[in-house]
Amino acid sequence: KQEVTQIPAALSVPEGENLVLNCSFTDSAIYNLQWFRQDPGKGLTSLLLIQSSQREQTSGRLNASLDKSSGRSTLYIAASQPGDSATYLCAVSDLSGAGSYQLTFGKGTKLSVIP
Amino acid sequence: DGGITQSPKYLFRKEGQNVTLSCEQNLNHDAMYWYRQDPGQGLRLIYYSQIVNDFQKGDIAEGYSVSREKKESFPLTVTSAQKNPTAFYLCASSTILEETQYFGPGTRLLVL
Repeated sequence: KQEVTQIPAALSVPEGENLVLNCSFTDSAIYNLQWFRQDPGKGLTSLLLIQSSQREQTSGRLNASLDKSSGRSTLYIAASQPGDSATYLCAVSDLSGAGSYQLTFGKGTKLSVIP
Repeated sequence: DGGITQSPKYLFRKEGQNVTLSCEQNLNHDAMYWYRQDPGQGLRLIYYSQIVNDFQKGDIAEGYSVSREKKESFPLTVTSAQKNPTAFYLCASSTILEETQYFGPGTRLLVL
């Protein structure tokens, strides 16, 4: 059974710093990996999706990398801003026994960017 | 605006009561999902449906039931058999081919 781990559980940085969030997964036979953002009491917003054949994806100040063979992904946030404060969730998609793709989520990293 | 709506935002359940959480989408997505989120935990899949009138159990289906009579709607009933229902419930949808799931704003269920 797929397990997804995110380190650290919480992170506090001063505004303007570059930072890296880590995600690891136990079964490398994934279809894709996604990073989501969740604000307190809200739903999830998809940030980046990396297909299993890709190595990285970029969107603005965000860059996500994927090393499928080692079961690792990182989310790099450049020049952090207070508005980046949120919980960041990593999820991997793989085939379930029923033949459909399902997401397995990590517990998230809670990021606080201090002005 | 296209999107997913969930109602109510907050729901209170009394002992022994069944309650139903609403999820509606106008994205023309075939697949819909229900997740449960507990503090400090990742999302766990309760039920999912890939087509009208068909649905499958996820990892924690016990104490929950669903229906999928319309493509746009996927209501979740939390039955009295669910002994620890306090949680944040999230609904999501996707196309079958596009794996990105789009999430609703969530319903917080509390027990009186």
